[in-house]
Amino acid sequence: GQSLEQPSEVTAVEGAIVQINCTYQTSGFYGLSWYQQHDGGAPTFLSYNALDGLEETGRFSSFLSRSDSYGYLLLQELQMKDSASYFCAVTGGYQKVTFGIGTKLQVIP
Amino acid sequence: DADVTQTPRNRITKTGKRIMLECSQTKGHDRMYWYRQDPGLGLRLIYYSFDVKDINKGEISDGYSVSRQAQAKFSLSLESAIPNQTALYFCATSDPAVSTDTQYFGPGTRLTVL
Repeated sequence: GQSLEQPSEVTAVEGAIVQINCTYQTSGFYGLSWYQQHDGGAPTFLSYNALDGLEETGRFSSFLSRSDSYGYLLLQELQMKDSASYFCAVTGGYQKVTFGIGTKLQVIP
Repeated sequence: DADVTQTPRNRITKTGKRIMLECSQTKGHDRMYWYRQDPGLGLRLIYYSFDVKDINKGEISDGYSVSRQAQAKFSLSLESAIPNQTALYFCATSDPAVSTDTQYFGPGTRLTVL
């Protein structure tokens, strides 16, 4: 089976940098993705890593280490609108996608 | 217009009733998924379909069934609804030609079973 672990809540200050970690267990691995979900909304895709290293998209970056079964999402120059839940998701055997429980990020002034 | 639509957006029903949630997409994607979301439990996969003739169970398929009527339509049915099926349900699509991992979600259906 597949499982993921990520912190349930994180609080950070506006303008700061925050890192949300994700560890996973899976049989077969295709990639690790990150999604953002605002309260009352649908998840939206942020980033995807299939290979080790850092992927950068604007203020957001995502990192993957396949040997450590670990990844993180880095949010820079935090804004109040970044307050949301962030989910990591692993694509494993049979290309089946499993989501983590989500990390609720609160950005404070 | 939204690429992935779900109907209804909200539904209240009683225990034992049969209910169908519908999902339509205009993205032309072959792959479609149904998830349920509960507080503290994240998104859990109910069923997924890689094309019209390929339907697979997810991690929590008991009590649910699906129908892939066409490439663009994927319906989720609760044959006899029970209160612990009260949840937020999302449909999603993906395109393996681009990225298996990029899923596009519908707006969700909030289901309450009394």
